[in-house]
Parts: sequence; structure tokens; C-alpha cells
Amino acid sequence: EVQLVESGGGLVQPGRSLRLSCTASGFTFGDYAMTWVRQAPGKGLEWVGIIRSKAYGGTTDYAASVKGRFTISRDDSKSIAYLQMNSLKTEDTAVYYCTRHSSGIAASTEDYWGQGTLVTVSS
Amino acid sequence: DIQMTQSPSSLSASVGDRVTITCRASQSISSYLNWYQQKAGKAPKLVIYAAYSLQSGAPSRFTGSGSGTDFTLTISSLQPEDFATYYCQQSYSTPLTFGGGTKVEIK
Repeated sequence: EVQLVESGGGLVQPGRSLRLSCTASGFTFGDYAMTWVRQAPGKGLEWVGIIRSKAYGGTTDYAASVKGRFTISRDDSKSIAYLQMNSLKTEDTAVYYCTRHSSGIAASTEDYWGQGTLVTVSS
Repeated sequence: DIQMTQSPSSLSASVGDRVTITCRASQSISSYLNWYQQKAGKAPKLVIYAAYSLQSGAPSRFTGSGSGTDFTLTISSLQPEDFATYYCQQSYSTPLTFGGGTKVEIK
């Protein structure tokens, strides 16, 4: 069974940093890209960024709203994806989900989601 | 960036109704369109991928259609467990953008 478990959320002051972790199980982690998606309270879903598998160079892409402040990394030996968030702003307050990103012929999707972890940025 | 526009933003329907939600992309995305269902307080779940493919475990009353810029999610006979918010997402190019969501409420 595929499972994704996020951790590391909490209350943090503006300008500070926080690192989220996503621990995966039930599949060969290194074969998949992983993404982070967030949802501000009462709002819709916002894609944060992606890290591709080593087979695709392990490259990353980010939303403009977080580029230069957030960094996604992965440790395939531990089956963990990370989201390092620096220079946090109040508008980064959201539930952060990690997802498994599956790609195939003419298809690309977030097929499994974690339960999410809440990040609150406030003084 | 590709913009995704969903309509309506909300709708009220009864059990047994046929419900249709539309999603429009700001440029052609071929069939790189996914639909997710999110219930209150829960993580989203994939329902339809690649515009019309039913995710394993999703009920067959969910149907996706469209290609290019215009897409539709149809629920053929609304069930109590289908009341939720639905999001489309384009996966054609990064950033992978979502529509604003459609909340399906009980009439």
C-alpha cells in the first residue's frame, strides 16, 4: 500500500525557516517524481514544486511564488522528500501536501497524496 | 503559465442528479488534464487522469471528456459520498496549475 506521511509543520515567525519531510512507503521511491502542493485556509490547491527522479536528472521546478525561497530535495536511500522553506511569509500559511507524481504515455498525475501538514506563519 | 478556469465555482444538486463541471485551459494541453475530489478536512484524491481515464477504485459514474482546451467532468448519478470540491489540474507543463475548484453541495 502506498503511503505518504508529511511531518515538520508548525508555527513559525515571518522570515524564519522550516523544513518539511515526506516519508514514503509501499513503492520504489527512487522511480518517481515527488511534488509538493499547498492549500491556504479556505482556499484552493496551489502547486509548489516538483523534484524528478534521478533517472530524469533529479531536477526541480518551482512555482513563481516560492522560487528562490523554497528548495525541494530527496533522499532515495531513506525514501524521503524534503521541502526546505526559507524567508517565510504570512501568505505561506497553508496545509502542505506531498504527492507521488506518476508519468506515462500521454499522462502525468499526482496519484497519491499524504494527509498534509499545517504550516502557520505568524508573529 | 497555463491558467485553468473551472465553472461553476459551486452548484447545488440532489442525489441521483447528473452533474457536469467544466474546465478550460488558457492554451492547448492535449489530454494532460486530471480531476481530483477533495472532501472537507481531507487530502485530495485522484478521480480522472489523462482527461478521461478512470483512476483505479473510482466509481464508474465519474466520466471525463475533452482535449485541447476544454474539458468536462460528469457524475452520472450523484451519490451522497460525492458531495465534495472538485479540482482540475493541467499536467502539460510546469508550473502544474489547478483550477479554482467546484464545490458540489446538497440541494
